[in-house]
Amino acid sequence: QVHLVQSGAEVRRPGASVKISCQASGYTLSAYALHWVRQAPGQRLEWMGWINRDNYYTEYSQEFQGRVTITRDTSANTAYMELSNLRSEDTAMYYCARLPGYCTRRMCFTPEGPSYFDYWGQGTLVTVSS
Amino acid sequence: DIQMTQSPSSLSASIGDRVTITCRASQTINNYLNWYQLKPGLAPKLLIYGASTLQSGVPSRFSGAGSGTDFTLTISGLQPEDFAIYSCQQTFITPHTFGQGTKVQIK
Repeated sequence: QVHLVQSGAEVRRPGASVKISCQASGYTLSAYALHWVRQAPGQRLEWMGWINRDNYYTEYSQEFQGRVTITRDTSANTAYMELSNLRSEDTAMYYCARLPGYCTRRMCFTPEGPSYFDYWGQGTLVTVSS
Repeated sequence: DIQMTQSPSSLSASIGDRVTITCRASQTINNYLNWYQLKPGLAPKLLIYGASTLQSGVPSRFSGAGSGTDFTLTISGLQPEDFAIYSCQQTFITPHTFGQGTKVQIK
């Protein structure tokens, strides 16, 4: 059974960084693309970026360009999302999500064709406050 | 970026009702449209992918339709556990944008 288990809630000061982990079980993380999505209070879900399945290629939303880094530790079957230079607007629930396929530059595919996120982590609350 | 707009933003319905939620993309996305159910404290749950394919384990009262720019999610026979927020997502091209959500409330 597939599970994505994320690290616990974090509190940071403005200007600091946070690194969230997402450990997969029930499948090999490097077999599929892994995406990160966040939801600020009262806001819609917001896509942040992804890391590809069989290499370490990443793509990030322009909204976070230069501040976000997604990595993967194959031996630990764990992915990480680090967000730097935090501001109060970064207070949100952060999710990792599996895309059961692969991504190329700007496009993602599954065996069925259209891509989707079939398993999600439970979420990590990040609070940015002075 | 592709903008996703849902309507209505909220609706009130009774158990057993049929409800339909609409999602419109700012440009064509073929059938790269997914629907998720959001509940507080829980991970988003995939309901429909590829505009009309029911995810495994999701009750058949959920259905999706549409292609191009206009899509619908229909719940036929609302159940108590269906009161939640529903969000569409396009995965045609990154950034994979989401709709603002539709809150389904008990009348």
